[in-house]
Formats: sequence, structure tokens, C-alpha cells
Amino acid sequence: DTAVSQTPKYLVTQMGNDKSIKCEQNLGHDTMYWYKQDSKKFLKIMFSYNNKELIINETVPNRFSPKSPDKAHLNLHINSLELGDSAVYFCASSWFKFGNTIYFGEGSWLTVV
Amino acid sequence: ILNVEQSPQSLHVQEGDSTNFTCSFPSSNFYALHWYRWETAKSPEALFVMTLNGDEKKKGRISATLNTKEGYSYLYIKGSQPEDSATYLCASSTGTASKLTFGTGTRLQVTL
Repeated sequence: DTAVSQTPKYLVTQMGNDKSIKCEQNLGHDTMYWYKQDSKKFLKIMFSYNNKELIINETVPNRFSPKSPDKAHLNLHINSLELGDSAVYFCASSWFKFGNTIYFGEGSWLTVV
Repeated sequence: ILNVEQSPQSLHVQEGDSTNFTCSFPSSNFYALHWYRWETAKSPEALFVMTLNGDEKKKGRISATLNTKEGYSYLYIKGSQPEDSATYLCASSTGTASKLTFGTGTRLQVTL
């Protein structure tokens, strides 16, 4: 069983569309994250939820909206997609206490054309 | 140091060679240092999480050390094998415990 799974793995869409990437973890963790791999290959945090509450919200356009219906799910919705949104988006989960391992999904490759 | 920096960017070694990489990170407000192994199109796989100055961790042929006072960590691979080929990422958490700041990684290629 995959610990952190995200769908879709590949997504090609046109500018202006709205799309969602779903993420589920079966590790029982209380904290989930979205990271973005930028053009320089850095993994940068976008959002983090602890027990369904938003705890980290980095400088991300408000076209990006995370939704956590329960502790095991954190979905990423993107409105009005732009060319610059093309990237690989990684979902992750962990226990909140510092020093704990963060487990990542395999990434979702988003291409905006 | 304001960001997490890794060196070298890439490394090409032969099977059986031992190698090491460096991760430099901000030493102020340090919480933890994470090492990940990342193969293309797969999930980054956690190798180690270290929190205390002087920590040393080992997993098979891979080991890591941590110096929180000067802000660096070394990852060592003994007797490299082709299956060790991957990108090795380090990340530090400072201030907010659950937020990781990643380096760009060291890409290792091991050939026969």
C-alpha cells in the first residue's frame, strides 16, 4: 500500500482552467503538506495542515486553495491556471512534533499550455 | 548562511568508491536536519533525521553526521553501488518545526 498517494500523476491543461490534485495518506499522521518543485529544482513548502487546520501558508497566489476534509486528505485546488504554474507538486505527511520524518508522495506533474 | 546549500551539485563515481556530500544550513533556531534519497519519478525517501549536535546516524553503507554549531552535515556512502544513483536532498527545519527548507540536492551517478 502506498503511504502517501496523490492523483493525478500527470496533468496537462489549458491556461485559465481550474484543476485539483488530490492527496491521501494512510499513515495516521496528523499533519499534511503541499510542496512545489520550482524551476530551479528546489522543493518549497506551500501549505501545511495540522488536524485539518491551516498552520503554514507561504506566499502563494490565492488562486491556490488547499482543502482538508479530514486528517487523511489534503487536496490542492488551483483556479485560473497560468503557464508559470507548470511544476511538480508533492504532497507529504508527518506527525507534527519536530524532528519527525516527513513522508512524500510521488509527485504530480502539472503542465499548463 | 540564509539558505540550505548542498555541494557538489553532481558527482560521478565508480562502483566501489566511497563518497561524501555536504549540506550547509542556518545554525540559528535550528530544529532538525533531514536527509532524503530521491530517484526520478519516485517519492523522496527519508534516510535520516538528526536533531542534536554531534549526532551520527547509519543505515547500511550510508551514514551522516551533524554539526549544529557551525551549520553543516555530511552524508557518506561507503562502497558505492549503481543502485545508489539518485539525488540526495537535505532539508533543515528552523523556527517552525514542521516547515522544511530544502537544498537543491547532490545528484550521484555510480557506474560499473
